Amino acid sequence: QQQVKQSPQSLIVQKGGISIINCAYENTAFDYFPWYQQFPGKGPALLIAIRPDVSEKKEGRFTISFNKSAKQFSLHIMDSQPGDSATYFCAASKAFGNEKLTFGTGTRLTIIP
Amino acid sequence: GAVVSQHPSRVICKSGTSVKIECRSLDFQATTMFWYRQFPKQSLMLMATSNEGSKATYEQGVEKDKFLINHASLTLSTLTVTSAHPEDSSFYICSADGTPDRPNEQFFGPGTRLTVL
Repeated sequence: QQQVKQSPQSLIVQKGGISIINCAYENTAFDYFPWYQQFPGKGPALLIAIRPDVSEKKEGRFTISFNKSAKQFSLHIMDSQPGDSATYFCAASKAFGNEKLTFGTGTRLTIIP
Repeated sequence: GAVVSQHPSRVICKSGTSVKIECRSLDFQATTMFWYRQFPKQSLMLMATSNEGSKATYEQGVEKDKFLINHASLTLSTLTVTSAHPEDSSFYICSADGTPDRPNEQFFGPGTRLTVL
């Protein structure tokens, strides 16, 4: 019940295209859903996060779509750029208190010219 | 703001020795810090949750006598890998809990690459 399933495992998108990564969770107690970006040899950095009281959140080229009934959320990267090539992890946690994050398995995104 | 540092960034040691990794919150106080391990091309696996002034809570399957965690202050947590073996070679990452204005966010350190020969 603690799992967060992420797909696809790897993704190749042409420059300027839309990159879409999907996650699904099981634990209905999860109340906070962040996406992290990680470059090789670096720690993950928060990209964008959403709470289930909204269905969509947009920050620049990055958008999270959230479907509470389906227990799914996705990351959309618009106008994908070579600099977006990285590994992306979705995660989930209970919102309040110092709660641990449960991470998805990761998606290696490659943007080709 | 909300910067987390780790030291060292890379360490190579001989099998059987102990290695200490430091995690510091540079510009904020962290009541809770988390330690993760990441193998190549895999996700982050939580090892333990560290609360300042109390014993760490270890995840199932993580040997607490092998991975010693100390969180003696609100800005410093340490992970000591005791009697390290080649299978302990991994990327170790810490994170610190949120600041008052960003309570849900975890701030991650840059990671420490441990290689045990």
